[in-house]
Amino acid sequence: SQKIEQNSEALNIQEGKTATLTCNYTNYSPAYLQWYRQDPGRGPVFLLLIRENEKEKRKERLKVTFDTTLKQSLFHITASQPADSATYLCAPLEGSYIPTFGRGTSLIVHP
Amino acid sequence: DTAVSQTPKYLVTQMGNDKSIKCEQNLGHDTMYWYKQDSKKFLKIMFSYNNKELIINETVPNRFSPKSPDKAHLNLHINSLELGDSAVYFCASSQGLGGFGFEQYFGPGTRLTVT
Repeated sequence: SQKIEQNSEALNIQEGKTATLTCNYTNYSPAYLQWYRQDPGRGPVFLLLIRENEKEKRKERLKVTFDTTLKQSLFHITASQPADSATYLCAPLEGSYIPTFGRGTSLIVHP
Repeated sequence: DTAVSQTPKYLVTQMGNDKSIKCEQNLGHDTMYWYKQDSKKFLKIMFSYNNKELIINETVPNRFSPKSPDKAHLNLHINSLELGDSAVYFCASSQGLGGFGFEQYFGPGTRLTVT
């Protein structure tokens, strides 16, 4: 069956460091992969989209990689700030009608 | 201006009751969705409407019925509420079908508690 795996344990890092979050998937052949941010009590907010033919995508302090061989996406936040503390969801998309999300990883940036 | 709005924000009700949640988007999008996020934070799609036609119905009990009076609105009606229906329900919209990479815009969520 299809599975999306994100670290269930929270990632704790110090301000200024680079945070790296992992999204692994099985039995998917995604043509796209999205990352969303969700703050407590709010809906997810879109951050980045990467396509299967792209190895890497950047947006300001954010960087996403997409390795279709390893079936993995990495999400990096450089120079992290306490305001980056949130839950980050990945969504591998197969170009079908159905959008699917991982459970998300909680990031806590300590000042 | 709020892009995707939902009402109510909180809903507390007893088992067996019928309730509705309303959603409106002012983005001019063609596709709208309902998601359920359970206590373990798993976000699972329930329904998708594209130009007022139902596209997905992911093994959701027929006690749940989506209604789309027009492209900007997608309401969720729930009959005979059960304890297991307690969750946060999110409405979302996108320009095209989300599975094709279109960015989804989510509403603030409706926290439903069934007692």
